[in-house]
Amino acid sequence: GQQLNQSPQSMFIQEGEDVSMNCTSSSIFNTWLWYKQDPGEGPVLLIALYKAGELTSNGRLTAQFGITRKDSFLNISASIPSDVGIYFCAGPRDDKIIFGKGTRLHILP
Amino acid sequence: EAQVTQNPRYLITVTGKKLTVTCSQNMNHEYMSWYRQDPGLGLRQIYYSMNVEVTDKGDVPEGYKVSRKEKRNFPLILESPSPNQTSLYFCASSDPTDSYNEQFFGPGTRLTVL
Repeated sequence: GQQLNQSPQSMFIQEGEDVSMNCTSSSIFNTWLWYKQDPGEGPVLLIALYKAGELTSNGRLTAQFGITRKDSFLNISASIPSDVGIYFCAGPRDDKIIFGKGTRLHILP
Repeated sequence: EAQVTQNPRYLITVTGKKLTVTCSQNMNHEYMSWYRQDPGLGLRQIYYSMNVEVTDKGDVPEGYKVSRKEKRNFPLILESPSPNQTSLYFCASSDPTDSYNEQFFGPGTRLTVL
């Protein structure tokens, strides 16, 4: 099936550091979505991107829709303990929703 | 409170014993979906439903059945569970007319098949 490739698979960072992760696809997506899954819960939408080149912020989170429409980036500034979790990129394809494999973020005290 | 509920939250069963995981949403969403989450594989869509009596296969439908007799409910049925169906399952609903079809997820059902 369709694949969204996320990297890195996991990250270990110090509290206060900035975080950057990305998502790539071999085919074009017209919408890119970033979800976060807190431990023990279902994913929740963080940011939605609609236009190639678009840069969108939500608090300390910033996401960009790649100009080729085949990639997207999520940045988190000044990480805090509650940023721990799994971050998924996703995109609609026909009537389906395709998710990446996720980036697991660990924050060291 | 707008929400998606799943039951049970945890289930341990044996190979071949039919089971059903229920899913219900109170947001009047037309689109409902089931996903399974496995380590290293992310979220994979099992089945989805665009509306009542309309269901379609996702990327990993083998071994699963669904039904959509009412708008609010979308049960997942495992007729003959096998150990490779041990996983964390999520139900989700959304408004497909929404510009990006935001998925609202339930709390998850952790299934173990022995």
